[in-house]
Amino acid sequence: NAGVTQTPKFRVLKTGQSMTLLCAQDMNHEYMYWYRQDPGMGLRLIHYSVGEGTTAKGEVPDGYNVSRLKKQNFLLGLESAAPSQTSVYFCASSYRHRTGNTIYFGEGSWLTVV
Amino acid sequence: KNQVEQSPQSLIILEGKNCTLQCNYTVSPFSNLRWYKQDTGRGPVSLTIMTFSENTKSNGRYTATLDADTKQSSLHITASQLSDSASYICVVSEGNAGKSTFGDGTTLTVKP
Repeated sequence: NAGVTQTPKFRVLKTGQSMTLLCAQDMNHEYMYWYRQDPGMGLRLIHYSVGEGTTAKGEVPDGYNVSRLKKQNFLLGLESAAPSQTSVYFCASSYRHRTGNTIYFGEGSWLTVV
Repeated sequence: KNQVEQSPQSLIILEGKNCTLQCNYTVSPFSNLRWYKQDTGRGPVSLTIMTFSENTKSNGRYTATLDADTKQSSLHITASQLSDSASYICVVSEGNAGKSTFGDGTTLTVKP
């Protein structure tokens, strides 16, 4: 059971370059999320999706775009990478919100922008 | 603004000892509170989930408590092991909207 899978796991970008992080889940979850985690800080929500074809902004959406064309996939794009986007990115998924639902996380993607 | 405050920020204990981590929150309306364990370089993994009506829940050597009146939760780790060294994150979800607020975590180091 793969759960939540993120690719790539590591990436180094030059300032101004673009890239896409791919998240795939095999649990048929309706909700998917992208978070970033900076050293010593908690996870901050970038964007989320409550279903196929829908996306919404989270706490820190600037500089990122997302797409949810298929229920199992949630893509996070950086159009013009900046050093401030150096971080660890976590994708997560869960069933439609009900009290007691667990959020399942991927293993993280380490992004460095130089 | 909804907030989740965890304390202490970091903690060092000897193997075999017990410890308690704290989580205070201002999230309202409250839906549920979860504790996650995050090993270095890995994604968070769920330990416990508690709803409004639950005031304690155990998962092996981990026991979480919830006081919804004072908006406080604690995670008690019994007979600590070296593998307990990790960051422990408290997450509180809002009712209806389902939005979750994450604490900054407590970094626990267990030494032999």
